[in-house]
Amino acid sequence: KAGVTQTPRYLIKTRGQQVTLSCSPISGHRSVSWYQQTPGQGLQFLFEYFSETQRNKGNFPGRFSGRQFSNSRSEMNVSTLELGDSALYLCASSWIPGGSTGELFFGEGSRLTVL
Amino acid sequence: TQLLEQSPQFLSIQEGENLTVYCNSSSVFSSLQWYRQEPGEGPVLLVTVVTGGEVKKLKRLTFQFGDARKDSSLHITAAQPGDTGLYLCAGHGSGNTGKLIFGQGTTLQVKP
Repeated sequence: KAGVTQTPRYLIKTRGQQVTLSCSPISGHRSVSWYQQTPGQGLQFLFEYFSETQRNKGNFPGRFSGRQFSNSRSEMNVSTLELGDSALYLCASSWIPGGSTGELFFGEGSRLTVL
Repeated sequence: TQLLEQSPQFLSIQEGENLTVYCNSSSVFSSLQWYRQEPGEGPVLLVTVVTGGEVKKLKRLTFQFGDARKDSSLHITAAQPGDTGLYLCAGHGSGNTGKLIFGQGTTLQVKP
C-alpha cells in the first residue's frame, strides 16, 4: 500500500512569508504527527493529530500551526518565516496514536529553505 | 524532560568491521525504536523493543533494550557499505502518543 505522502518535497521562501505543507497518511491511519529536523537540533516533535483533534504539541512558537481533516490528511502552516525555520519537515502516521507499540511511518519530508 | 543521548555521533569504518551504537537516558521509556535515515528520505523503522532485557536480531543487526528500560544498543556485525546512513533511537515516554523523543543520531559511514 502507498506510504506517507508529503507535498511539496522542496520549497524556497523568503523571510516573512508563510508556508503550508501537506501530508497524506497511509490509508487507514488516523494519527498524524509532525517533526522538524535540523542539523543542530535533530528531530523535534511539533504536534500530533488524531480524529481531527490536536492531542500533543511540542515546544514551538505559535507561528507553527496545523490541522487534520476528516479524511486524516493533515496540513501544517508556518507564518512569518524566519531563517531558522529552514529544515526538513517530516510527517509520520500510525493507525492509532503511537501505533500498537509506538511504530510511526514517516514520509520523505518537505525540505523548506528560508532566504 | 526526557532526553536520549546517542553515541558516538559519527562513525567511519571499513567494510567488514563490527560496531555498536548506544542510546542512553536517565528516564524510563515504555518502548524504544531504532530508525535508519538516508539522505533526502524520512526515517525508516528498523525495530521496536518493549521489554526490559529484550534482544532482537535483524540479519546482521542486533538490538538490545536495557533491563531498566533506560538504554538501548544497536550492534552491526560485518558492516557493509549499504549500512551507511543516519541511525536514530527514539522513545515513547508513556501512553499512546505519536510524540517520539529522538536521540541526536549516529552518522555511520562504511567504506568499501
